[in-house]
Amino acid sequence: GENVEQHPSTLSVQEGDSAVIKCTYSDSASNYFPWYKQELGKGPQLIIDIRSNVGEKKDQRIAVTLNKTAKHFSLHITETQPEDSAVYFCAASESFQKLVFGTGTRLLVSP
Amino acid sequence: NAGVTQTPKFQVLKTGQSMTLQCAQDMNHEYMSWYRQDPGMGLRLIHYSVGAGITDQGEVPNGYNVSRSTTEDFPLRLLSAAPSQTSVYFCASRSDSIQYFGAGTRLSVL
Repeated sequence: GENVEQHPSTLSVQEGDSAVIKCTYSDSASNYFPWYKQELGKGPQLIIDIRSNVGEKKDQRIAVTLNKTAKHFSLHITETQPEDSAVYFCAASESFQKLVFGTGTRLLVSP
Repeated sequence: NAGVTQTPKFQVLKTGQSMTLQCAQDMNHEYMSWYRQDPGMGLRLIHYSVGAGITDQGEVPNGYNVSRSTTEDFPLRLLSAAPSQTSVYFCASRSDSIQYFGAGTRLSVL
């Protein structure tokens, strides 16, 4: 089955810096790669996703890149703000229903 | 719209007790899922449903039962709770590619 590895487990940046979180996946059949943000005491919320027929997708300060050959994808957050502090999860799936999640990255943005 | 509503928010059980975690969505989504979240392990799929009357197992189904009698509701049952089931449980419903998660139920089994 699919296995998703996520790094780093924690990431501390200064406000205004960029943050990058990386994930690798094992199943070449996976074709959908979402990123979720989880704030304390809440459920995960989708922030951006990418499908295997696209190499990069951007939405304001966040972007995701996908390298199918190397089986890795990354989340890029520019101009970080304190409200970006949260736990971020990557996931991979062959179908939209059965997501396999990474272990999460705790991002701390200091003012 | 309330979205995905989970009850209760917190629960403490003794080993061997049974309980049902409730999940309801008001978005008329066909697809619903249950995940558990443990420290250092991300979220793992327990069971899922692609519509009323249809359920299937996910990655970690042992010890859990589900049913889907209506589109709105997808309860998760623990028949005989074990300490290994101490976790945070999330229910989700899906529209196209987007999964919408509830706020979670934190369960402790002593």
